[in-house]
Amino acid sequence: EPEVTQTPSHQVTQMGQEVILRCVPISNHLYFYWYRQILGQKVEFLVSFYNNEISEKSEIFDDQFSVERPDGSNFTLKIRSTKLEDSAMYFCASSEGRGQDEQFFGPGTRLTVL
Amino acid sequence: GQNIDQPTEMTATEGAIVQINCTYQTSGFNGLFWYQQHAGEAPTFLSYNVLDGLEEKGRFSSFLSRSKGYSYLLLKELQMKDSASYLCAVRAGGSYIPTFGRGTSLIVHP
Repeated sequence: EPEVTQTPSHQVTQMGQEVILRCVPISNHLYFYWYRQILGQKVEFLVSFYNNEISEKSEIFDDQFSVERPDGSNFTLKIRSTKLEDSAMYFCASSEGRGQDEQFFGPGTRLTVL
Repeated sequence: GQNIDQPTEMTATEGAIVQINCTYQTSGFNGLFWYQQHAGEAPTFLSYNVLDGLEEKGRFSSFLSRSKGYSYLLLKELQMKDSASYLCAVRAGGSYIPTFGRGTSLIVHP
């Protein structure tokens, strides 16, 4: 069964550093998403991406964040100048459409900012 | 914004039936999802409701009442592996993005 993959599974970084989280969505899916979940808290939407551009973003997704689809398979989230409060699990998801189509989540990248 | 309420925690016995409720206040309702999330893992899709009524899928069923802003997830013949967090997520206001509730932690004991 096709699945969303994410790398790395765990990233440790120093405050102020830049990190890039990578995702490979399911190959025939057209919509891609990033969510984050701070430990013990709810899943929060960051950004959605369609047709090589951002389609929706939350207020969390400020200038510190950017997304890119550098080739036909990868979808990346870049976090510049990381802060302690960026420590969270980051989930990538993809869907075939946007109606009732379910979003398939990847296993997540646990980001720890020291 | 949206307000989504779920109980924080529930416990149930293996083999029993449990109902997890979700209430929401929103404008422009456009669908409600239930996801299951085991500790340290990604959410996995369980169900989607956009019209009133009951959707049944094996041991899991989901109900929606749009006029009441209410949904429930019904789990039958509980198994130990059903111990997980159950997330209610609502789409509204012209957005295709679901807003997640805090989740209900279900503990199934023998």
